[in-house]
Amino acid sequence: DIQMTQSPSSLSASVGDRVTITCRASQTISSYLNWYQQKPGKAPKLLIYAASSLQSGVPSRFSGSGSGTDFTLTISSLQPEDLATYYCQQSYSTFTFGPGTKVDIK
Amino acid sequence: QLQLQESGPGLVKPSETLSLTCTVSGGSISSSSYYWGWIRQPPGKGLGWIGSIYNSGSTYYNPSLKSRVTISVDTSKNQFSLKLSSVTAADTAVYYCARVGRIATRQGDYYYYMDVWGKGTTVTVSS
Repeated sequence: DIQMTQSPSSLSASVGDRVTITCRASQTISSYLNWYQQKPGKAPKLLIYAASSLQSGVPSRFSGSGSGTDFTLTISSLQPEDLATYYCQQSYSTFTFGPGTKVDIK
Repeated sequence: QLQLQESGPGLVKPSETLSLTCTVSGGSISSSSYYWGWIRQPPGKGLGWIGSIYNSGSTYYNPSLKSRVTISVDTSKNQFSLKLSSVTAADTAVYYCARVGRIATRQGDYYYYMDVWGKGTTVTVSS
């Protein structure tokens, strides 16, 4: 089974800050990596698929990068509505989610 | 636009079978471009993939749940369903259904992702 880890587990940043979340796979997964945003009490929402492709309708301040085992989700300018938990997910071999990164607004 | 809605009992007794249905509206479950999946989230915890199904009936299950899970599809009703047997308190969670989209890679494989989600339904396992 492919295991996913994320760091940090939580962070607090100010509006306008650049925020970076890291995801690591236990084996190489090429670009089979997705990112989701889950706001409190809501279903997850797809942000990024295939490591770096922005899902339709997602603001351009969100971007993804990486390949192999190491991946990054970047929010270029944090907004109040970005308060959420962010999950990475591998789709190289069925699906596995990372443990999540909770983003708070200072 | 496409919408998914989970339905089923909110309370299940230990050792019994949890049964949920996902109704798809605004699109056909028979589309060749998509799979359909179930995901769950225990209280205060992260997301866990349960399994996925294609409209042909081909299924893929999380190995850790495979012995207890059955996912089926009813194209005539535009629905797919989840059955989880021998439940315990550890199966208490919000259960989501989702559409699994895909896009071809240069190598002829597919990138898969969950692009449309239901709102989720809470299932509690308790006597």
